[in-house]
Amino acid sequence: GENVEQHPSTLSVQEGDSAVIKCTYSDSASNYFPWYKQELGKRPQLIIDIRSNVGEKKDQRIAVTLNKTAKHFSLHITETQPEDSAVYFCAAYSGGSNYKLTFGKGTLLTVNP
Amino acid sequence: EAGVAQSPRYKIIEKRQSVAFWCNPISGHATLYWYQQILGQGPKLLIQFQNNGVVDDSQLPKDRFSAERLKGVDSTLKIQPAKLEDSAVYLCASSPTSETQYFGPGTRLLVL
Repeated sequence: GENVEQHPSTLSVQEGDSAVIKCTYSDSASNYFPWYKQELGKRPQLIIDIRSNVGEKKDQRIAVTLNKTAKHFSLHITETQPEDSAVYFCAAYSGGSNYKLTFGKGTLLTVNP
Repeated sequence: EAGVAQSPRYKIIEKRQSVAFWCNPISGHATLYWYQQILGQGPKLLIQFQNNGVVDDSQLPKDRFSAERLKGVDSTLKIQPAKLEDSAVYLCASSPTSETQYFGPGTRLLVL
């Protein structure tokens, strides 16, 4: 089955700096890669996603890049703000024989004012 | 658009007791998922329904966990009997396709 590795497990940045979270996946059939933000005690919320036919996608301060050959994808947050502090999860969806979303273990991002 | 609803939000039980969780997905979403999220980890899929049929229950501990979605809308997840290691947040999610998933607020279970 699919295996998703996520790094780092914790990340602390100063307000205004950029943050990068990286994930690798194992199943070459995976074709959809969402990122979720989960604030303490709240539900995971989809913040951005990318499909395998696209290399990069941006939405304001958030961007995701995908390298299919290397089987890794990354979340980039620019001009970080304290409200960006949360746990971020990457996930990979395989549209092959294993139709399910596999999550990474999460990255705790802390943005210091 | 109303989101995924779950109840109860919190539950404390003793080991060997039974517990049930309820989920109401977003209207029109055919696919429903139950996840277990242990503290400090990502959500782990327990079971996936497409309408009222099971698509994937390979990671559901079937000796103690059961789930149903009889009319293809609401779903219940039951644990009987509960163990200490079942303490976790149980998340329900729904999807109009099998890709983009929308999560409910979760039920936080503590087994003592």
